[in-house]
Amino acid sequence: GAVVSQHPSRVICKSGTSVKIECRSLDFQATTMFWYRQFPKQSLMLMATSNEGSKATYEQGVEKDKFLINHASLTLSTLTVTSAHPEDSSFYICSAHPAQGNEQYFGPGTRLTVT
Amino acid sequence: GEDVEQSLFLSVREGDSSVINCTYTDSSSTYLYWYKQEPGAGLQLLTYIFSNMDMKQDQRLTVLLNKKDKHLSLRIADTQTGDSAIYFCARGGGYNKLIFGAGTRLAVHP
Repeated sequence: GAVVSQHPSRVICKSGTSVKIECRSLDFQATTMFWYRQFPKQSLMLMATSNEGSKATYEQGVEKDKFLINHASLTLSTLTVTSAHPEDSSFYICSAHPAQGNEQYFGPGTRLTVT
Repeated sequence: GEDVEQSLFLSVREGDSSVINCTYTDSSSTYLYWYKQEPGAGLQLLTYIFSNMDMKQDQRLTVLLNKKDKHLSLRIADTQTGDSAIYFCARGGGYNKLIFGAGTRLAVHP
């Protein structure tokens, strides 16, 4: 089956630093990748849609300069949280959508803690 | 109210059936989905239903869709402790986006 990996699975960083999270589709090419944020005991909030080779489309209220998304290849998208603050602490999940079909495949998530 | 709504908690006895309900307001979605999330993990697609279907059965899972009432349900037969997780209902939001409900936490007890 289709596998999506995220790296790292868990990261702790200091306030003011930047953190990069990688999302990879391991056995298929993903024309579109999505980044979600999940607060404890809450649903997934879509942050942005990333299409390979083009700029990401951000959802309303998501700061594009703070959450930098790069989708440089059909198997890799990265999310960089810049100048992280404690309120950015959350569980970040990516999903990948192949060119064919109507399913999205989710990564295992990255837990970010900003101290 | 929210676009996709679910009750937040369900507790069932092992071996019983579980029914998780979901309502939505936008009926334009072509597909509706059920995902399962175990603690600290990503989402696993359980099943999905095409919007012109009323029912879909897949082993222990039965999905019922009432388009008129904009109501979706997931029935898990013979619920086991391994079924304890959070179950998310989602609808397709255009451009392959997914709009999720808040999730229903299913607790299975002996």
